[in-house]
Amino acid sequence: QLVLTQSPSASASLGASVKLTCTLSTGHGTYAIAWHQQQPEKGPRYLMKVNSDGSHSKGDGIPDRFSGSSSGTERYLTISTLQSEDEADYYCQTWDTGIQVFGGGTKLTVL
Amino acid sequence: EVQLVQSGAEMKKPGESLKISCKGSEYSFTGYWIGWVRQMPGKGLEWMGIIYPGDSDTKYSPSFQGQVTISADKSISTAYLQWSSLKASDTAMYYCARSTRILAPVDYWGQGTLVTVSS
Repeated sequence: QLVLTQSPSASASLGASVKLTCTLSTGHGTYAIAWHQQQPEKGPRYLMKVNSDGSHSKGDGIPDRFSGSSSGTERYLTISTLQSEDEADYYCQTWDTGIQVFGGGTKLTVL
Repeated sequence: EVQLVQSGAEMKKPGESLKISCKGSEYSFTGYWIGWVRQMPGKGLEWMGIIYPGDSDTKYSPSFQGQVTISADKSISTAYLQWSSLKASDTAMYYCARSTRILAPVDYWGQGTLVTVSS
């Protein structure tokens, strides 16, 4: 069964970097994922697609501070030079024939 | 700029029917998939299903199969999500979202439609 697992919460200081993790279920290590950001009281916004080889392609207008990478069944979102507006929920998403799946989300707090 | 504009908030009673909409613009509506995503209060995103307006090919999450109906009218570039008999547990924000292919990420989101079901 295709499942995405995310830590419920993360925190980092203003100006620092943070790396969020999304883990694919066993047997799905070749799958790409996407990252989406949901700021408080707003709808989600597409950030980027991350492939199994670590390559990534970002959505329109996404700052260079956001980058993606991969290792095995883990897919990462790294945010550098954290700003207050980066405080948000971050969801990973993947897909297979006939279905799409979201992870449970990580709530990022910027200290 | 690609836009997905959803219909406004709804307040309904249990047992009532409802159809909410999502209008796409500034892209070829028939060439992309439109999915629906539920977000219950304080919770995460749940994928409900998806439609290809070009030929109305539709797929549902097993969790939502039989509970909702997804449709589209390509003549007016609009996708729909409907319920025949709402329950209080349907109270949630609903988002439409575009994908270039069924095996592809969501790349644009609608602004959301809040549905409140209460007696």
